[in-house]
Amino acid sequence: KAGVTQTPRYLIKTRGQQVTLSCSPISGHRSVSWYQQTPGQGLQFLFEYFSETQRNKGNFPGRFSGRQFSNSRSEMNVSTLELGDSALYLCASSLVTGPGETQYFGPGTRLLVL
Amino acid sequence: QKEVEQNSGPLSVPEGAIASLNCTYSDRVSQSFFWYRQYSGKSPELIMSIYSNGDKEDGRFTAQLNKASQYVSLLIRDSQPSDSATYLCAVMDSSYKLIFGSGTRLLVRP
Repeated sequence: KAGVTQTPRYLIKTRGQQVTLSCSPISGHRSVSWYQQTPGQGLQFLFEYFSETQRNKGNFPGRFSGRQFSNSRSEMNVSTLELGDSALYLCASSLVTGPGETQYFGPGTRLLVL
Repeated sequence: QKEVEQNSGPLSVPEGAIASLNCTYSDRVSQSFFWYRQYSGKSPELIMSIYSNGDKEDGRFTAQLNKASQYVSLLIRDSQPSDSATYLCAVMDSSYKLIFGSGTRLLVRP
């Protein structure tokens, strides 16, 4: 079974631009979570989608948004990029949202904001 | 603020030794706990999950959970240089979000 895929793998943008990242979950998985990983803050939860609905949201500004499509694929968007948005953005999928559900991570998108 | 605490390391052990990685968490209602391994420049990969008090073994890995003490650990027996990585402890909170610790860097010396 194919794993979680993320595109693009690497991205360079300049301040003020916007970016859209894509995530395709493992086949059959309906829950997709997004995380930001930086050396200073570690892995931080952005948001989670299940059946096209945002179920959870972390403590990030409104510039960070996402959505999920009927085939469970998800996108996240960051508008008005700031230097501090440079990070590894990770997507993780699980079968459903619930206690004990294991999340499997994709390879990540490394975003550099200049 | 729910927290997951890990010693950042590096934890250095010789090849063949037992590596012991520890994690404490603040949310008493947490029920699901995970250990992920992350190699430099790669994404986290799941090693083990544990939900009940006690030990859970999988090959060279043993996870230990003590909910009363809010403590979870990972033991790696017969450590190999290929085990050198950052180990992330993750705790699922009551809204099913994963809260990650900052990770412990493990270095296995040949």
